[in-house]
Amino acid sequence: AQSVSQHNHHVILSEAASLELGCNYSYGGTVNLFWYVQYPGQHLQLLLKYFSGDPLVKGIKGFEAEFIKSKFSFNLRKPSVQWSDTAEYFCAVNAQGGTYKYIFGTGTRLKVLA
Amino acid sequence: DAGITQSPRHKVTETGTPVTLRCHQTENHRYMYWYRQDPGHGLRLIHYSYGVKDTDKGEVSDGYSVSRSKTEDFLLTLESATSSQTSVYFCAISDPNGRNSGNTIYFGEGSWLTVV
Repeated sequence: AQSVSQHNHHVILSEAASLELGCNYSYGGTVNLFWYVQYPGQHLQLLLKYFSGDPLVKGIKGFEAEFIKSKFSFNLRKPSVQWSDTAEYFCAVNAQGGTYKYIFGTGTRLKVLA
Repeated sequence: DAGITQSPRHKVTETGTPVTLRCHQTENHRYMYWYRQDPGHGLRLIHYSYGVKDTDKGEVSDGYSVSRSKTEDFLLTLESATSSQTSVYFCAISDPNGRNSGNTIYFGEGSWLTVV
C-alpha cells in the first residue's frame, strides 16, 4: 500500500539551528513529491515540490529538499531556522499520471525557540 | 495562494441539523476535494470531484454528500450533523493536466465547524 512516513513528530530547535525533517514514501511508480507548511490556525501552503529534473529543489522561505530515489526519501532542510518557522510540516506524494490520490504524512510539529 | 474561497469560515451548529460548506475556485482546475483535519488523524479525504457532476467517495465519506454543478463550485453537505463531525474542513484543487504544475494540490483556508 502507498504510504508516507514522517519519522519526527515533534522537533524543537533554537533559532539559527539547522533543520532536517525526514520523509520516506512507499510507492512503486514515478511520483510527484511535495512539502507543505501549516502555521497555527491556517491552511496548508506549498513550500516546494519535485516532479522531475534536478533532485535538489528549492522552495520558499529558504527551504530546500532533496529527492533520493534509491532511498524513497524527500527530506526537507533549512540551514538556519527562525522563530517564524514554528509550524507543522507535511510531506505528500502523488503518483504521476494525473491521479486524484495524494498521500500525506502525519506531519512534524516544529517549534523554534527564540 | 491559489484562488480558493471557502464559506462559511466558522460555524457552530446543533446536532441533527444539515450543514453545507461551499468551496469556490477561480483557477478552472478540474479536480476538487474536501478533506477534514483532526488531531491524531492528519488529513483525511471525504469526497472528491473530477469534473462537473462527477464525484466519488474518499476514505471517510459516511455522513457526507457533495455536489458539483459548476466547475468552480464544490459543495459539501452534512445531512444531519453529529459531534464527531466537529472538525476543520479544507477544500483543495488540482489540475493533473496543468502545465508546469506537477499536479500540485492547493488548499483553501479552511472551515471550522463545531457541532454541539
